Formats: sequence, C-alpha cells, structure tokens
Amino acid sequence: AIQLTQSPSSLSASVGDRVTITCRASQGISSALAWYQQKPGKAPKLLIYDASSLESGVPSRFSGSGSGTDFTLTISSLQPEDFATYYCQQFNGYPITFGQGTRLEVK
Amino acid sequence: EVQLVESGGGLVQPGGSLRLSCAASGFTFSYYAIHWVRQAPGKGLEYVSVISSNGGSTYYANSVKGRFTISRDNSKNTVYLQMGSLGAEDMAVYYCARQRGIYPAITFDIWGQGTTVTVSS
Repeated sequence: AIQLTQSPSSLSASVGDRVTITCRASQGISSALAWYQQKPGKAPKLLIYDASSLESGVPSRFSGSGSGTDFTLTISSLQPEDFATYYCQQFNGYPITFGQGTRLEVK
Repeated sequence: EVQLVESGGGLVQPGGSLRLSCAASGFTFSYYAIHWVRQAPGKGLEYVSVISSNGGSTYYANSVKGRFTISRDNSKNTVYLQMGSLGAEDMAVYYCARQRGIYPAITFDIWGQGTTVTVSS
C-alpha cells in the first residue's frame, strides 16, 4: 500500500499567517492527491483535488502543489475558521490511503 | 440539495453484526461509485470499501475483507455496508462518500455526516 506521511503532525499559527503542510508519498502517484479539511464532529470537506485544483466554493487562500511523491497544501492568510485538521489522500492505487493528519491550532 | 445520509450505527456486542445504510438525494445516484471511510475515536481516516456505480465491482481494505460486504440498490438510492465479526478495532464513525471522476483522477466530493458504531459487551 502507498503510504502518505504528513508533516508536521501539528502546527500552531496565528490569524493572518501563511501556513504550509507537506504530504510525502512512499512511491510516485502522479497528481492523484486530494486535501481535506475536518473540523471536530464533522465530515471531511474537499479542498483540493488532482493535487492543485481548487474545489468549487473553497476560498482562494487555499492552494495545492506537487506531483510524484511530494505535495504541499498552503493557506496564504489564515482565517479563524481554518483551524482544523487537514488530511491528504491518494488515489493512485488501491487501497486508497490517507495521511495521518495535521492539526492546525491557534497559537 | 446534494447529500448523503448514513444510518444504522449503534451499539453491538463483540462478534456481532450490523448493517449501515447510506441514502443519497439530489443527484443521479446510479452514475456514481460510493465509498466508505471510517474514523476511530481520536484517530485519522481509514479507507474501508467501494462499490461501483452499477454494483458490479467492489473493493475492501484488508482490515475488513471477508467480514464486511458492500452492496447497493439503485432503485432506492442507497448503499449498504453489512458488517460482521465486529471487534473493538471496528469501533468508529463510518462515513460514506461520493466519488467524482474516473480512476485515477477521482476525488470524494460529497460526504455524509457519519454514523457511529460502538462495539462493547
């Protein structure tokens, strides 16, 4: 199975900060990667698909980049509603796998 | 409104069985593959299973293979997850999710709110 390793596992930041989360795949997955945001007690919400495509309705401060094995999710200017846990997910092969999550907390 | 609604979760004894349902509305259900993803308390997301749009293809994670069965009834816009031989490791919130796109350019664009499975004697 393809393993996804996110870093950092947790991150403290302030409103207005620029934040970057990294996801590394154990083997190349082309651009078959998505990013999700999850808030406590809620279902995951799709942010980015195909590594860099912004889902409709998602604010433009979110962006994704990368291909192959190294990917990043960037939030250009943190807003209060962005404090949540973020997961990457790969679709290059079954089983579909998720990263372990990055918890973004208020500093 | 496009939505998925899970039901069927609850308390079950170790070794017991449970059937989860995922009811869809607001879109042409028979066009879409549906996946199940679970999340143990305080843990990350774990992939469980998928069923193709016409029900002809399925896949199971190794952790549930042989114990869980996924099926669908397109006339009822519903996907089912029959779970058996349940253990503590199966205790989680179970989410169904709609697949958008064709492999490998797929993504999960719509998620249900989740249903909780508790395994305890």
